[in-house]
Amino acid sequence: QVQLQESGPGLVKPSETLSLTCAVSGYSISSGYYWGWIRQPPGKGLEWIGSIYHSGSTYYNPSLKSRVTISVDTSKNQFSLKLSSVTAADTAVYYCARGWLSSNYFDYWGQGTLVTVSS
Amino acid sequence: QSALTQPASVSGSPGQSITISCTGTSSDVGGYNYVSWYQQHPGKAPKLMIYEVSNRPSGVSNRFSGSKSGNTASLTISGLQAEDEADYYCSSYTSSSTIFGGGTKLTVL
Repeated sequence: QVQLQESGPGLVKPSETLSLTCAVSGYSISSGYYWGWIRQPPGKGLEWIGSIYHSGSTYYNPSLKSRVTISVDTSKNQFSLKLSSVTAADTAVYYCARGWLSSNYFDYWGQGTLVTVSS
Repeated sequence: QSALTQPASVSGSPGQSITISCTGTSSDVGGYNYVSWYQQHPGKAPKLMIYEVSNRPSGVSNRFSGSKSGNTASLTISGLQAEDEADYYCSSYTSSSTIFGGGTKLTVL
């Protein structure tokens, strides 16, 4: 059974960089699929942040592209998100998920982690 | 890149059928058969219900079905049950990106 688990600081100061990691178990990242980050501000809808293919190719939401970096560490079977210059508008539950590049959907999701941007 | 348009809320009684629409453009919903639907209960992660417009993942009830006509995709839930009360989001591929709808709150009366 594929499982994903997000981890990282729950509180980040404005203008700093948000960093999260998603640990994958039950499946080897290097075997395929693509791996994504999605966020959900409190009481609002879902927003795709970006995705990375197991080979390292990345795809980012155009509205966040200048601030986002997604990377993969196949040796640790995990992938990571960095979002720079955060503001209160970046406060959200951040989810990691496994996706299908060819069909653009996410079949396994982590439980999500709340990140609050505040001084 | 605007969010797909969904009704804010829909409701139905147990046993009834409801349909949630998801309207985009020819650059997303209308241009590809890569529409998916997710169910989200409060405090939980989204769950994939439909992929590639009308396909159901293993384990998802056949009460859930998807379709598409032009730039609008639809999710139909038949035989409504109390457990179906949740938020529903559509998603589509567009230009090497993924976009979501604003979400629809389904209330089972």
